[in-house]
Amino acid sequence: SQQGEEDPQALSIQEGENATMNCSYKTSINNLQWYRQNSGRGLVHLILIRSNEREKHSGRLRVTLDTSKKSSSLLITASRAADTASYFCATMDSSYKLIFGSGTRLLVRP
Amino acid sequence: NAGVTQTPKFRVLKTGQSMTLLCAQDMNHEYMYWYRQDPGMGLRLIHYSVGEGTTAKGEVPDGYNVSRLKKQNFLLGLESAAPSQTSVYFCASSYVGGLTGELFFGEGSRLTVL
Repeated sequence: SQQGEEDPQALSIQEGENATMNCSYKTSINNLQWYRQNSGRGLVHLILIRSNEREKHSGRLRVTLDTSKKSSSLLITASRAADTASYFCATMDSSYKLIFGSGTRLLVRP
Repeated sequence: NAGVTQTPKFRVLKTGQSMTLLCAQDMNHEYMYWYRQDPGMGLRLIHYSVGEGTTAKGEVPDGYNVSRLKKQNFLLGLESAAPSQTSVYFCASSYVGGLTGELFFGEGSRLTVL
């Protein structure tokens, strides 16, 4: 079974709104990463948060990590139509395995 | 810079045939990974390598073999293809296993097993 589970599975919002995606995982991690995948393409790294960090920002992205609840959230502010994609969280353990969640499909309507 | 290159991009096999997917990276990365992605699902780790000459099993290693004879190349082999192996395969590499940075992905190899 996959380590991370994303919620919701699909999200549809209007351009300009904020999008929040959540990720839960099961075991201890070294870090948690978020990736984006446009349809039919490879994944692109967005942001990494270490297990001893609680919050991280990068441009319009904000990631939080709660290791006590084994959960993370990705917030995209002021969304754009170009943000339409699938978003995946991935957790890295001590053996350097990077395990992906099932993803959230985000649709940003113009 | 080519980054991570996967060949072939598309392949159709018959059940029982064998094939090898090649992943090449030109970034001098130590770590390389092979994933498969099925429709509507996330990526599942097949095998990975933390350096030349080393490989390790991931979440779904059965039916696949890998080799890392050269640092820049990571090969994924299917000895006897099955319809359940129809999928899109992604290779990725990173400098230090993603501890301080990102994985760089190839564009994928779409495999159909009839």
